[in-house]
Amino acid sequence: AQKITQTQPGMFVQEKEAVTLDCTYDTSDQSYGLFWYKQPSSGEMIFLIYQGSYDEQNATEGRYSLNFQKARKSANLVISASQLGDSAMYFCAMREAPNDMRFGAGTRLTVKP
Amino acid sequence: NAGVTQTPKFQVLKTGQSMTLQCAQDMNHEYMSWYRQDPGMGLRLIHYSVGAGITDQGEVPNGYNVSRSTTEDFPLRLLSAAPSQTSVYFCASRLTGKTNQPQHFGDGTRLSIL
Repeated sequence: AQKITQTQPGMFVQEKEAVTLDCTYDTSDQSYGLFWYKQPSSGEMIFLIYQGSYDEQNATEGRYSLNFQKARKSANLVISASQLGDSAMYFCAMREAPNDMRFGAGTRLTVKP
Repeated sequence: NAGVTQTPKFQVLKTGQSMTLQCAQDMNHEYMSWYRQDPGMGLRLIHYSVGAGITDQGEVPNGYNVSRSTTEDFPLRLLSAAPSQTSVYFCASRLTGKTNQPQHFGDGTRLSIL
């Protein structure tokens, strides 16, 4: 069964605007971790942000923030003030201990000048 | 600081050939994993290891073998390559099994099976 769902195959955003990339997950565990990765066209996987299931506050890392709604099992990534360099694939992932990380299918973000 | 190193970066094989994808990390990480990435499917876990001498299967293990004789190395073997194994392969490592540890990824190996 698919544990991580990213419903937006592609998204467009105007430069300097904010964008939200959706992610929902399925788990019966109480302890788990949620991650977002960026994959630019060069292919490497870049870790962006982490949210723990017990964290009461939404995680933030510079222009990235994670809108964590535990009851809805959603962990949306918000990118503020989009830049051309933000154009990439974005993957949501979850880890339930002791299992390894599972990924969603990804969202391709294109930032328009 | 090399991080996770994968070799080769590109490889073309003929159906039925065997090969080993190499992965090494210099961060003394306990956990190592292999993923394959196919269009529209994200990254899928092939095999993983929680330490030297210990390996386990992921979501798509068929057609692949792994071993972990040292902390640093985690090679992935294709015993008899098939066109369905054409993909981009990523090796990753992390420090511990705790849920808050991010994966550190290699740059990937692009494999084509003819």
